[in-house]
Amino acid sequence: ETGVTQTPRHLVMGMTNKKSLKCEQHLGHNAMYWYKQSAKKPLELMFVYNFKEQTENNSVPSRFSPECPNSSHLFLHLHTLQPEDSALYLCASSQDHLGPGLNTEAFFGQGTRLTVV
Amino acid sequence: AQSVTQLDSHVSVSEGTPVLLRCNYSSSYSPSLFWYVQHPNKGLQLLLKYTSAATLVKGINGFEAEFKKSETSFHLTKPSAHMSDAAEYFCVVHNNAGNMLTFGGGTRLMVKP
Repeated sequence: ETGVTQTPRHLVMGMTNKKSLKCEQHLGHNAMYWYKQSAKKPLELMFVYNFKEQTENNSVPSRFSPECPNSSHLFLHLHTLQPEDSALYLCASSQDHLGPGLNTEAFFGQGTRLTVV
Repeated sequence: AQSVTQLDSHVSVSEGTPVLLRCNYSSSYSPSLFWYVQHPNKGLQLLLKYTSAATLVKGINGFEAEFKKSETSFHLTKPSAHMSDAAEYFCVVHNNAGNMLTFGGGTRLMVKP
């Protein structure tokens, strides 16, 4: 266990559905991330939150909407997705996000396997 | 800018033989480097990390990696492969003057009995 928990583990949704992915960490970390892992592609950073503020949106379509109500929880709200959005969505956290000289490692959840039909 | 190249998308070894997974990086700043492992249907687990201390880094499960600045490499090795090592391995660079983790494309390690 890495201390980062994602729910649900698997999700199948239609293109007109609205669903949310949840990520929770109680490691005392200040930074949280959403990554997308598609087959045969490197991990893609989607969003970064640092101290509950979004510091990075990596040109993600608006059908993905993140929410970070506090430093321990991160959500990814999904609506009107496309079949090509099917992937493993990974949440990660790290102690801190910014600053030179900081040697930070990320702790990953087990991911949510999303299938859009 | 920074990038990570994992030179082999697939590596196949026999159980008990050495493992070598290759990684080259580029970074404008002094980087931190990591290797993560991902077993099927699991998240990523940190194997080891280099953070400007000793250049030979030992990790979990008998893995180690050597940071070679002159070659911009951070190859992962293990003297003797075990069946449970079969997984996907990711080399990752963190730009210490910035805020991003950049992932390599991954290397799938297969271990034959």
